[in-house]
Amino acid sequence: GESVGLHLPTLSVQEGDNSIINCAYSNSASDYFIWYKQESGKGPQFIIDIRSNMDKRQGQRVTVLLNKTVKHLSLQIAATQPGDSAVYFCAENGSSNTGKLIFGQGTTLQVKP
Amino acid sequence: DSGVTQTPKHLITATGQRVTLRCSPRSGDLSVYWYQQSLDQGLQFLIQYYNGEERAKGNILERFSAQQFPDLHSELNLSSLELGDSALYFCASSVSIPNEKLFFGSGTQLSVL
Repeated sequence: GESVGLHLPTLSVQEGDNSIINCAYSNSASDYFIWYKQESGKGPQFIIDIRSNMDKRQGQRVTVLLNKTVKHLSLQIAATQPGDSAVYFCAENGSSNTGKLIFGQGTTLQVKP
Repeated sequence: DSGVTQTPKHLITATGQRVTLRCSPRSGDLSVYWYQQSLDQGLQFLIQYYNGEERAKGNILERFSAQQFPDLHSELNLSSLELGDSALYFCASSVSIPNEKLFFGSGTQLSVL
């Protein structure tokens, strides 16, 4: 079935370093992708999204890269801070146009001081 | 604060019981989504409503049902509860469909004992 997977379950980085979180998606019909951050005890929080007509999109300290050829998505966080420690989920819209999102399993980002 | 309100925050009940989870979407959002989050399954899409009508259905058990009322708030009903139903249940909303970011509430933690 449809699935979105993450390569690494846990990523540990030093404060101030850049972080890269990767995601593979399986549905080639997906044309909308999104990254969420989830802190303990809270709901997923929108970080950045990208549509399939783009390869790259930048936000504040974050960049999302989309490689449709290999069905790969990545989230880059510049100058990682302790407040970035959370679980990060990628999601795709799949082959439907209802608006629902299909989530990956999540990557835990740990920022070491 | 995402603007999506979920109540209650915590719910403890026994097997075989029935509970109702409530969600108020962001002001102006017509679409409501329900997701289940457990440790081994990640965020699983359950069901979506748009302006009172069911729009999409995921892996929702027959023991579970939902509805969206004229004021756009939604309720998720879980009956004949089993231990395995223990999870975080999130509601999300979006302005329109398709391909828009979802805004998530803080979730309801359901514990079935």
